[in-house]
Amino acid sequence: GAVVSQHPSRVICKSGTSVKIECRSLDFQATTMFWYRQFPKQSLMLMATSNEGSKATYEQGVEKDKFLINHASLTLSTLTVTSAHPEDSSFYICSARDWGGHEQFFGPGTRLTVL
Amino acid sequence: GESVGLHLPTLSVQEGDNSIINCAYSNSASDYFIWYKQESGKGPQFIIDIRSNMDKRQGQRVTVLLNKTVKHLSLQIAATQPGDSAVYFCAEKEKDTGNQFYFGTGTSLTVIP
Repeated sequence: GAVVSQHPSRVICKSGTSVKIECRSLDFQATTMFWYRQFPKQSLMLMATSNEGSKATYEQGVEKDKFLINHASLTLSTLTVTSAHPEDSSFYICSARDWGGHEQFFGPGTRLTVL
Repeated sequence: GESVGLHLPTLSVQEGDNSIINCAYSNSASDYFIWYKQESGKGPQFIIDIRSNMDKRQGQRVTVLLNKTVKHLSLQIAATQPGDSAVYFCAEKEKDTGNQFYFGTGTSLTVIP
């Protein structure tokens, strides 16, 4: 149980385009989902917390207009990287937490490369 | 975010030996800690957790020790195997502030056959 999927697993796009990444909890309802970014050989940096039916809470330094988060249902959150630039190239990982739980279940990650 | 760091960025051990990975945290209000294992190109996997009202917790081949006095966390892996090679992160959550976990720098463990 507690499986989280991400789609796509890998995406390459041109600079200036927008990319949407999906995060799904497959066998539980996730009231809260989290989006992380991880650069090579670095730790996971929390970008934002996404609560179903409400606006996401962004960490300091993360541009909410550039990284659009939508958590429209209890099993799906999306992260859209708008007007992507090469410096946005990174590994984006989501995690999900069910109501009342402490543990977060992580997705497999999405490798974004912006040319 | 909070400062959660690891003492050693890399660690190499012989297969069969025990591994100890350390983590220092700075937020005394943190009340829940998790160790994660991350293999290359994959998301983190839960290994073991511990609450601040405990100082030791054991799992299968793994033990987590928590020293709140010096804000130190360690992960011990017994009889390390090649499949244990990965990056290990500690993560902490502050009591009553919601759901956010903050991750440490990470330690890359290499098991030498």
